[in-house]
Amino acid sequence: EVQLVESGGGLVQPGGSLRLSCVASGFTFSDHYMDWVRQAPGKGLEWVGRSRNKAKSYTTEYAASVKGRFTISRDESKNSLYLQMNSLKTEDTAVYYCARHLSGTLAFDIWGQGTMVTVAS
Amino acid sequence: DIQMTQSPSSLSASVGDRVTITCRASQGISNNLAWFQQKPGKAPKSLIYAASSLQTGVPSKFSGSGSGTDFTLTISSLQPEDFATYYCQQYNSFPLTFGGGTKVEIK
Repeated sequence: EVQLVESGGGLVQPGGSLRLSCVASGFTFSDHYMDWVRQAPGKGLEWVGRSRNKAKSYTTEYAASVKGRFTISRDESKNSLYLQMNSLKTEDTAVYYCARHLSGTLAFDIWGQGTMVTVAS
Repeated sequence: DIQMTQSPSSLSASVGDRVTITCRASQGISNNLAWFQQKPGKAPKSLIYAASSLQTGVPSKFSGSGSGTDFTLTISSLQPEDFATYYCQQYNSFPLTFGGGTKVEIK
């Protein structure tokens, strides 16, 4: 079964750091582009960033709101995608989802269940 | 950034109704548009990509159309499990952007 499972969320103070993980199973992780998307409480969806596949050297893209503060990486041996979040702000409070790209397209097909990040003092 | 505008923001419908949601892009995005369904407390579910292609396992009561700037999602016969919020998303260019959502409620 194709599955994405996020973890690592929690409560952090403004200015703090957190690393989210997304563990993939049921497919060849290195073949797929992967993205992070977030959703603030009661709000809509916001794209955070992308990790391209191994063929594209796992290059990354970021939303302007997180560029320079967030870093996306992968560990192929662990089938894991990461989101390192530094200099966190209260407006980063959200549920963070990882999403897989449908093979050969730029469209998402599979989403994880999400992990909640709360930035508050 | 490309702005995605959905309408209506909410609607009330009855079981069996045909429902249409529209999504307009602030500039042309070819057919690089997806639709998602989200229920309260749950992750989004992918329904449609490339404006009109159904994701695997999505029932054929869902259909999408459009190209360029104007797109629609149609549910042919609304069922109780279809009451949810629906989002469109463009993936033509960075940053990826989503519509504000359409909440489909029971009349």
